[in-house]
Amino acid sequence: DGGITQSPKYLFRKEGQNVTLSCEQNLNHDAMYWYRQDPGQGLRLIYYSQIVNDFQKGDIAEGYSVSREKKESFPLTVTSAQKNPTAFYLCASSRQGSGANVLTFGAGSRLTVL
Amino acid sequence: GEDVEQSLFLSVREGDSSVINCTYTDSSSTYLYWYKQEPGAGLQLLTYIFSNMDMKQDQRLTVLLNKKDKHLSLRIADTQTGDSTIYFCAETIRSGNTPLVFGKGTRLSVIA
Repeated sequence: DGGITQSPKYLFRKEGQNVTLSCEQNLNHDAMYWYRQDPGQGLRLIYYSQIVNDFQKGDIAEGYSVSREKKESFPLTVTSAQKNPTAFYLCASSRQGSGANVLTFGAGSRLTVL
Repeated sequence: GEDVEQSLFLSVREGDSSVINCTYTDSSSTYLYWYKQEPGAGLQLLTYIFSNMDMKQDQRLTVLLNKKDKHLSLRIADTQTGDSTIYFCAETIRSGNTPLVFGKGTRLSVIA
C-alpha cells in the first residue's frame, strides 16, 4: 500500500542536541511539507519542497533545516537553535497538479525536549 | 496575509446535525478544505471545494461556501459519537503545490 511514513513516532532529546525526523513516501508525490502542531495552535508550516533539490522556508523555519536529495524522502532536522522544539511534527506530500492541492499526511512524530 | 479562523469547540447530541464554521481573510483563495484528525494521528482529508462553487455534498457531509463573506461551513448530518474528533479548515490561494494554511481546529464532541 502506498503511504507516507514518519519515524520515530516518539523522540526525546536533551537540550543542545540536534535531532532528525524521517519522512518517506512511496506515493510518487512531487511535493513534501513539514508542519508543526502545538496544542491550540493548529498547524504551522516549517518547510516545503516542490521538487527534488529545492525547498522553501515556511512561516516558522528558524531553528530547523531540511534536505530533499530524493523524491521519496524529506528529513527534518531540529537544531539546538530551535528554542521550543517540544511539539508534534507532521509530514505531508502531494501530487504535482494544477487543481486542488490534496495533502496526504503521515502519522506524526512527537518530540519532547527533556 | 492569509489567516483562517475557527471556533475551538462544538458540542452536539447524537443524531443531530453539526455545523462547523470557518472564516478566511484572503479573497484570492482558490480551494478550501476540510480535514479531520484523530488523537495522536495525522490529518485525513474529508472534502474540498473550489472557490467558484457554493456547495458540495458528499454523503453525510455538506460544505457551504459564501465567498462574499469569506465563510466556509461543514455540516455533518446524523452526527454519531464516532464523529467526535478535531476538524480543520484550510485554504490555498493558488492552484498547484501551494502549501495549505490551516485554522486552529474545532473539537467536536458528540453526546450520546
